[in-house]
Amino acid sequence: DAKTTQPPSMDCAEGRAANLPCNHSTISGNEYVYWYRQIHSQGPQYIIHGLKNNETNEMASLIITEDRKSSTLILPHATLRDTAVYYCIVRVAGVLTGGGNKLTFGTGTQLKVEL
Amino acid sequence: NAGVTQTPKFQVLKTGQSMTLQCAQDMNHNSMYWYRQDPGMGLRLIYYSASEGTTDKGEVPNGYNVSRLNKREFSLRLESAAPSQTSVYFCASRTQGASTGELFFGEGSRLTVL
Repeated sequence: DAKTTQPPSMDCAEGRAANLPCNHSTISGNEYVYWYRQIHSQGPQYIIHGLKNNETNEMASLIITEDRKSSTLILPHATLRDTAVYYCIVRVAGVLTGGGNKLTFGTGTQLKVEL
Repeated sequence: NAGVTQTPKFQVLKTGQSMTLQCAQDMNHNSMYWYRQDPGMGLRLIYYSASEGTTDKGEVPNGYNVSRLNKREFSLRLESAAPSQTSVYFCASRTQGASTGELFFGEGSRLTVL
């Protein structure tokens, strides 16, 4: 799996956009970028994923650089409820066998949204 | 649908005792995972099962055993609990062949070993 690097913590004012960066310089051509978040020791929650095109859903937007070596998760209007640890992982999607199913997480970015 | 269900949610053990954490999913997923999370740290993979009948070691398998009982259930056993195994344990599942393949997590099992 490609290794990811994220800043350990970030702050954001409520109502502003939160931009969370992730570096994945060793990403392979068939690896997707996934984002999850974990709110206060609950089980992590899937947010979004992408391969090379920018993606948007009801929760967030994902911007992937043209060389795919980094990406940014954007929460357009952060609220206090978005305070969480955000994890960026890279993984092959679809049918997997053996070690291809091994999914590892790093330590993520602690996002704190403040008034 | 209940999603991923873990039992028990809380457990206190004495050193040397054994116990099994149960996990069940009702989403017909192929792959299941056990992670542990220590205070202030990210998730570390203990064991995973790519499909019914197969299991593989993750990053931190020592001191644990797993059983993929059927497609729905994946249990984690501590044969002789140690204080270092005090942690929050998360079970997760994902499907293969779907376009997203995202992980679905349970709510966690909080284990304290005295």
